[in-house]
Amino acid sequence: HLQLQESGPGLVKPSETLSLTCAVSGGSISRSSYYWGWIRQPPGKGLEWIGSMYYSGSTYYNPSLRSRVTISVDTSKNQFSLKLSSVTAADTAVYYCARPIDGYNFERPFDIWGQGTMVTVSS
Amino acid sequence: EIVLTQSPGTLSLSPGERATLSCRASRTVYTNYLAWYQQRPGQAPRLLIYGASSRATGIPDRFSGSGSATDFTLTISRLEPEDFAVYYCQQYGTSLTFGGGTKVEIK
Repeated sequence: HLQLQESGPGLVKPSETLSLTCAVSGGSISRSSYYWGWIRQPPGKGLEWIGSMYYSGSTYYNPSLRSRVTISVDTSKNQFSLKLSSVTAADTAVYYCARPIDGYNFERPFDIWGQGTMVTVSS
Repeated sequence: EIVLTQSPGTLSLSPGERATLSCRASRTVYTNYLAWYQQRPGQAPRLLIYGASSRATGIPDRFSGSGSATDFTLTISRLEPEDFAVYYCQQYGTSLTFGGGTKVEIK
């Protein structure tokens, strides 16, 4: 069955770029018509959608983060990535990658999630 | 942006009791595209309900969703020990936004 696994540095300095990867196993990104997503959760707080992308490269971002976010896909490695630039302490959070219940469009609920990875922004 | 307000913030109940959680939207949720998630400590969210009232695969029938337009409800008919967790609503009719969560704790 499909599994997602996030990876990347657990500590990022302020003003630098946060980079995370989500490895997909048990299925192919390029052979499935889904909008793969990133969601984050600051410690003790709620969930925030960051953005989603189609396997072909179309992207959709949260307007509040759009100027700093880039989501990309590497179909050869069956993974997709998140880059968030100019980070501050407010970007400290658990970052999840996820797949929605179907590929109708990017505005769908997520039924498969990675375990999440904690990223702390601190000098 | 559609803002989702969940209430109460915390619900203190005993196992076997009925839980009723509310999610109110700042404007109408397109086609009732409203989902509910459960999140246990240290775990990723789990999809319970989508389309306001459809249970996701493998979700027990003690979980039910209802509502339309701007007012939605998640009901847990009889709380099991594993149901004590935080619950989030999400609208996906106009972009994607989540509510602030309701914690269901053991009384």
